[in-house]
Amino acid sequence: GAGVSQSPSNKVTEKGKDVELRCDPISGHTALYWYRQSLGQGLEFLIYFQGNSAPDKSGLPSDRFSAERTGGSVSTLTIQRTQQEDSAVYLCASSPFGGSSNQPQHFGDGTRLSIL
Amino acid sequence: GQQLNQSPQSMFIQEGEDVSMNCTSSSIFNTWLWYKQDPGEGPVLLIALYKAGELTSNGRLTAQFGITRKDSFLNISASIPSDVGIYFCAGQGRGTDKLIFGTGTRLQVFP
Repeated sequence: GAGVSQSPSNKVTEKGKDVELRCDPISGHTALYWYRQSLGQGLEFLIYFQGNSAPDKSGLPSDRFSAERTGGSVSTLTIQRTQQEDSAVYLCASSPFGGSSNQPQHFGDGTRLSIL
Repeated sequence: GQQLNQSPQSMFIQEGEDVSMNCTSSSIFNTWLWYKQDPGEGPVLLIALYKAGELTSNGRLTAQFGITRKDSFLNISASIPSDVGIYFCAGQGRGTDKLIFGTGTRLQVFP
């Protein structure tokens, strides 16, 4: 489809394992964002990519979290040595431009991560 | 992480009633956005506001960007069952693309 695509839609894994979550932004969108949504809560900013600029990692909760964006398109969020508190829905969003250009972010349906 | 104060936390109303919810912040924002989230899906943008004092409508929805830049409200008129969901406000500050989200308002509409 034409929207933001995330995979997998659900992921269940054991504590201590590493996980990779994938985001395919809307074609042509240069800005890509990752958010985390804990049960019953709002969205918490994690990391932001804009073109070739260095990513804004200010929202990453620990050094177990990292993200890459290859070729300015697909992004992967990696969580190493998962903990139970990492259980949440991880949402990706993209927008045509960044830099406060008044372009709203469009969200994918998220990956629901459960750590046993 | 930082979140905006959004109220009410939940609402239970009858079909046809009007609804009002609001968000407040201790920080000034340059943009206010309102999203709706259905179960198992990502948030969908409803209304975007870019100027202090701006009042914008989208069908039965009306939102305003507070004159102080620290608040916004969303009104839904003549509610219908498909309005059920969680509504989030989000603010964006100057020089940043990060969105700060409200805590959400869960809306239930009874026929």
